[in-house]
Amino acid sequence: AQTVTQSQPEMSVQEAETVTLSCTYDTSESDYYLFWYKQPPSRQMILVIRQEAYKQQNATENRFSVNFQKAAKSFSLKISDSQLGDAAMYFCAYSWTSGSRLTFGEGTQLTVNP
Amino acid sequence: KAGVTQTPRYLIKTRGQQVTLSCSPISGHRSVSWYQQTPGQGLQFLFEYFSETQRNKGNFPGRFSGRQFSNSRSEMNVSTLELGDSALYLCASSLTSGGAPTQYFGPGTRLTVL
Repeated sequence: AQTVTQSQPEMSVQEAETVTLSCTYDTSESDYYLFWYKQPPSRQMILVIRQEAYKQQNATENRFSVNFQKAAKSFSLKISDSQLGDAAMYFCAYSWTSGSRLTFGEGTQLTVNP
Repeated sequence: KAGVTQTPRYLIKTRGQQVTLSCSPISGHRSVSWYQQTPGQGLQFLFEYFSETQRNKGNFPGRFSGRQFSNSRSEMNVSTLELGDSALYLCASSLTSGGAPTQYFGPGTRLTVL
């Protein structure tokens, strides 16, 4: 069974600084997808970034980028120029290529300090 | 385009009762997935429906069931409610089912079982 682990329950960062959230996963599949979702206090789950396992290039979306290490089964999220609005719970998630079922990690609560 | 909507947003029930939650996907989306979020177990996949057929099911007892209508709207039902069913129930929709499509989440239904 696939598992996703986020070892940092809480992280904090100063506004305008950079922070990296860690995620590791376990799977026997070679083709899969990885995601980072954020869940602010409103509880609305919002997609931050998506990575296809077959792509060697790391995905980027504006201030958000990932460091995807397939051999190490590691998928970290870097947030640059952190903003107060980035404060949220961040979830790493895995999906096998043939379906849309998401397996989530435990989440990392990010605090952004002014 | 309107996002995923879930009704009701909040619900209070007592043990032994049953409850039905509703989810309307983004227009044109044919896949609907349901997740349960609790502080203890985190985010867990319940089931996925695509074209009115259940495509995938998580590890939940038979008290949890769902269905999808021809307009892609979905309902989930929980019978004989237990205290442990208190949770945030999230619905997500996507265009298709296979290929790990991006899932867009609704705001959730907060169920409290007394």
